[in-house]
Parts: sequence; C-alpha cells; structure tokens
Amino acid sequence: EPEVTQTPSHQVTQMGQEVILRCVPISNHLYFYWYRQILGQKVEFLVSFYNNEISEKSEIFDDQFSVERPDGSNFTLKIRSTKLEDSAMYFCASSPGLRSYEQYFGPGTRLTVT
Amino acid sequence: AQSVTQPDIHITVSEGASLELRCNYSYGATPYLFWYVQSPGQGLQLLLKYFSGDTLVQGIKGFEAEFKRSQSSFNLRKPSVHWSDAAEYFCAVGDEAGGGNKLTFGTGTQLKVEL
Repeated sequence: EPEVTQTPSHQVTQMGQEVILRCVPISNHLYFYWYRQILGQKVEFLVSFYNNEISEKSEIFDDQFSVERPDGSNFTLKIRSTKLEDSAMYFCASSPGLRSYEQYFGPGTRLTVT
Repeated sequence: AQSVTQPDIHITVSEGASLELRCNYSYGATPYLFWYVQSPGQGLQLLLKYFSGDTLVQGIKGFEAEFKRSQSSFNLRKPSVHWSDAAEYFCAVGDEAGGGNKLTFGTGTQLKVEL
C-alpha cells in the first residue's frame, strides 16, 4: 500500500540554524500539507500546497517557514532560523483531491532545537 | 472559525468492554469529519470519515462513528475494545473555505486498555 515517507525521523539542531524536513507524498496525490504537534499538544495545520504554490497557510507559518516541491516526488519544509519553540513533531500529509479525500499522513519528523 | 473539542483527555477501559470517545465540533457549514488514531511513535492513521449521507459510518478496526448535527457531535464507538486499541485518538474537521482543505484537530483522547 502506498504511503507517505518522511526523513529524517529525528533532527537535532541548534537555535538559529536552518533545517529542511523532507517528505515523499503518495505518487498520484495532488495536495500536500505540513502539520506540527508540539509535545503534549494537538496537531496544528501549517500549510497546504497545490499546483506548485501555497493554497493556504496558518498564522504559525510565518516568514521563517517555506515549502517547496523541488522535483516530482519530494516536498520539503524549510525553517530558516530555528527557535526553541519550533521543537515539535512535524507531519507531512498528502491527498488526491479536496473535499471527500482524506489526507494520508507520514510518520513524522521529530525536530529538537537546542 | 472551526474548532473541535474532545472533552476526555484520558479514558481507561477494560479489554472487551465497549468504548465511546466524544467529539464536538463547531463549523458553519456541513462539516467533513474524521477520526484518526496515533500509536506511539507512529503517524496518524485514518479510522473513518463522514462527508454526507448515512450518519452512521463504519471504519477500520471495528470502529464506527455517528454524526449528530443537532448535537454537533461525531462520537467514535467500538463495541469490544482490544488491547491493541490503546493509542491516542484525534477527531478532526476539514475546512476547504481557505482553499487548502486544512484539518483542524481536537486535543486528542488517550485510550488505555486494561487487560
């Protein structure tokens, strides 16, 4: 069964450093998402991406964040200058369409900012 | 703005007992509703979804949920819980008003199963 994959599974970085989290969505899906879950809190929407552009973003997704689909398979989330409060589990998801199509989630990348 | 409330942070049930996890939502239009499960160290797996039609929906692993518009609820049920059901359960509402079909999640309910 196709699945969303994410690398790395765990990333440790120092405050102020740039990080790139990578995701490979399911191959025939058209919509891509990033969510995050701070430890002990709920999953929060960050951004959705369709047709090579952001279709929606939350207030969390400020200028420090960016997303890119550099080729036909990868979908990346970049944090330019990490803060301590960026420490969280980051989930990538993809879906074949809107409305009735569910989002398939990857296993997540745990980001620890020290 | 849409929101989801899961009033029970932790629930403990005995194996074989029935289960009901509560979910209330706030959304202006007809909601798209989902239940996801997260096992430790794992991603989110979809259990079931509701978009329209029959208000009782069946999902994987023997779970079902009932949409009640009058109560703004979408409670998850299972008639007989197995030890492997211990996990965290998230209710979510889908919102495409912003163009992106984002999911808004509840805070989750941690299910513990006693043998």
